[in-house]
Amino acid sequence: AQSVTQPDIHITVSEGASLELRCNYSYGATPYLFWYVQSPGQGLQLLLKYFSGDTLVQGIKGFEAEFKRSQSSFNLRKPSVHWSDAAEYFCAVGARGYSTLTFGKGTMLLVSP
Amino acid sequence: GAVVSQHPSRVICKSGTSVKIECRSLDFQATTMFWYRQFPKQSLMLMATSNEGSKATYEQGVEKDKFLINHASLTLSTLTVTSAHPEDSSFYICSAERTGLDTEAFFGQGTRLTVV
Repeated sequence: AQSVTQPDIHITVSEGASLELRCNYSYGATPYLFWYVQSPGQGLQLLLKYFSGDTLVQGIKGFEAEFKRSQSSFNLRKPSVHWSDAAEYFCAVGARGYSTLTFGKGTMLLVSP
Repeated sequence: GAVVSQHPSRVICKSGTSVKIECRSLDFQATTMFWYRQFPKQSLMLMATSNEGSKATYEQGVEKDKFLINHASLTLSTLTVTSAHPEDSSFYICSAERTGLDTEAFFGQGTRLTVV
């Protein structure tokens, strides 16, 4: 069975500092990997996704993620965090069809002044 | 990006009543939509896959008679929570799949259901 682990429940980062959110997955086949962001009371917005090809994926809002097969990881990074980035971030894994998406429990990002 | 509208955003209902939640794809047609449930401080759990013109596919452990799904058109899927109980209180989110060269699922803004 597929699973996603986001080991950090909360992370606090100073505005302007760099960010890395961790995601480890377990999947029997070639995974399709996603990062979503959720603001309070809102739906999810896709930040980026990895299907194949270049293992460093660029997304919206200045985010990027790197797929490392050997580590079963797909960590999300941003070089300089803005206060508006404060939200909850979900990593997900699945097959090409979205019906098989499995989400991690999420990491809440807090941005301090 | 494409827009998926979910309505209502919040609803409070009495125990024993039924509540309908709508999920609409506003600028694309969606053969497939998905319904998720999110408990506080938990992840999203897929409840069912809604297929236009056919029966929904429910995940293991989800009561299909309690969570009725209808996908009567290519732009609308509805989830009806029947005979709601306080334990059904949760955040329900839908997503609609836009197929094409770059298939992607777009999420609605979610519905906070509180059963009193």
